[in-house]
Order: sequence, then C-alpha cells, then structure tokens
Amino acid sequence: GQQVMQIPQYQHVQEGEDFTTYCNSSTTLSNIQWYKQRPGGHPVFLIQLVKSGEVKKQKRLTFQFGEAKKNSSLHITATQTTDVGTYFCAANTGTASKLTFGTGTRLQVTL
Amino acid sequence: KAGVTQTPRYLIKTRGQQVTLSCSPISGHRSVSWYQQTPGQGLQFLFEYFSETQRNKGNFPGRFSGRQFSNSRSEMNVSTLELGDSALYLCASSSGLFFGPGTRLTVL
Repeated sequence: GQQVMQIPQYQHVQEGEDFTTYCNSSTTLSNIQWYKQRPGGHPVFLIQLVKSGEVKKQKRLTFQFGEAKKNSSLHITATQTTDVGTYFCAANTGTASKLTFGTGTRLQVTL
Repeated sequence: KAGVTQTPRYLIKTRGQQVTLSCSPISGHRSVSWYQQTPGQGLQFLFEYFSETQRNKGNFPGRFSGRQFSNSRSEMNVSTLELGDSALYLCASSSGLFFGPGTRLTVL
C-alpha cells in the first residue's frame, strides 16, 4: 500500500531556532494535509495543500507541496515552546475518505 | 458547535474481552472515520462510515468492526481483545478534518 515517510523522527531545538519536517511519498499525491498533536492530545488539522508547488503560510508556519506532488514540508520560523508536539503529514489514499499518515516528527523546544 | 466527542475516554480490559467505543461527530457531519494510534505503528486507518454505510476499510482483522446510526453517531467494536490492541482510538469527523479526543484502551 501507499506509504508516506516523514523525517526527522525527532528534533530538539532551542527556542527561537527554525524547524523543518519533510514528508515524502513514492507515488503522486492528490493532496496533502498537516496535523499537530500536542503531548496527550489528539491530531489537530493545520492545513491542506492541493496544487503542485503550492506554498501556504500561517503566521510562523510555512507549508510547501512539491512540484511533482510527491513531497511536502512544514517549516516553523523562530520556534516557541508552544510549538512542542508531533507534526504529521497525511495523504488521501484510494478514496477521499482514507488518510495515510506519515510517521510524524516530534518537536521539542527548550528555552 | 460542539466538537467530536468520544466515550469513554479511558478503558481497561483484559485479553479475550470485547469492547465498544462510541463517537459522535460534529453536528451535521455525516462522515465518521476511525483510527488506531500506537507508538509502534503510528496512526492507522480502521474504517469510515457515511450515512450508515461503511465507505472504506483499512487493513485490520475482522475482530475490528463498526457501525453508524441514523443520527451519525458511530461505534466501533473490538472482540477477543489482544495485548496489541492497546492503543489510542481516534475518531474523526468530515474525513479527518476534525478529530475527537480519543479513547485510550489498555488491554491487560
């Protein structure tokens, strides 16, 4: 079945440093979604990218969808302790209703 | 609008027992998806229901089943529990856009 790989698995940064997580698929994706899960919480939808080469920003977060629609990235500028959590990418596979999640990147931010 | 609700939030069972988890989607949403989250396997799709019909199914054994009622509330059932079924079970409304808080199932 389709797999969505995500790297790195874990990153520890100092507050104020930047952070990037990457998502890669072996097949072309129709779209990609990003979620954040705080420790002890549940995934919270952040954004969906649909178009080839699309770039979207949400305050300090920048999301990109690759030109070939096989990869995506999430970049956080000047991390804050509130950014702590695990970031997942997810892609619709098969029908629109089934999401295949990446393995997630756990972000730890210290002062 | 109230969010996605799941009950119970925590559950402890023993091997061989069965369990039923409940999910109520956001009011007006007709789609409910279920996911299993474990440290080893991550987030895995179980199944999705739309208007009382199973629309999609993941790669889980037949011990995992679900249903949806006319009011869109959904239940999932796991029979003959195994230790490996210990996980956070999440349901999502509207094809994954809104997740509930999850049910933490521990199988002893």
